[in-house]
Amino acid sequence: DVKVTQSSRYLVKRTGEKVFLECVQDMDHENMFWYRQDPGLGLRLIYFSYDVKMKEKGDIPEGYSVSREKKERFSLILESASTNQTSMYLCASSPTRPGAYYNEQFFGPGTRLTVL
Amino acid sequence: EDQVTQSPEALRLQEGESSSLNCSYTVSGLRGLFWYRQDPGKGPEFLFTLYSAGEEKEKERLKATLTKKESFLHITAPKPEDSATYLCAVQAKVGGSQGNLIFGKGTKLSVKP
Repeated sequence: DVKVTQSSRYLVKRTGEKVFLECVQDMDHENMFWYRQDPGLGLRLIYFSYDVKMKEKGDIPEGYSVSREKKERFSLILESASTNQTSMYLCASSPTRPGAYYNEQFFGPGTRLTVL
Repeated sequence: EDQVTQSPEALRLQEGESSSLNCSYTVSGLRGLFWYRQDPGKGPEFLFTLYSAGEEKEKERLKATLTKKESFLHITAPKPEDSATYLCAVQAKVGGSQGNLIFGKGTKLSVKP
């Protein structure tokens, strides 16, 4: 089974702090994603990565950065946390299958971040 | 603009009362449609992939179907443990490549004993 793990289930930080959210997948997937999920807004893509050291902006990248130094690990960084970044953060991974028509994503358990 | 709309937003059923959830989509070129189940405070759990009109997939009490404009998730004789939010997502064609997933806002299903 695909397993995606996230470093923390719950996190409480202060405004202005630098926050690191870690995600690790054990299925050798090429693609990794960070989303945030808010009531009424659904899942929104923050950043994604198709390869080590590569990153692409999603729909809402402002206030976030990412790092992918190893294939299995994808980190989300909040440089200076703000209260409007209080949310559920979800990491996902997916394989790249040459010639495949689609590729489904597999999600981690989520990190509930509260910024005070 | 690519878009996914799920209805209803919330659905309350009695145990054993069958029903359907709807996911309508507008995309430039569908690569795949995905159904996920999400329990409170947890990440989405992958259920099904559909990619061609007429396709059907089944898993226990759930059956997903696909037409050119929408997908249905049919729940037959639901049990309380089927209570969850069900998310629909589509993957569109972007140029010659696969696009990212576009999610609907979900249908929150409650099944009462």
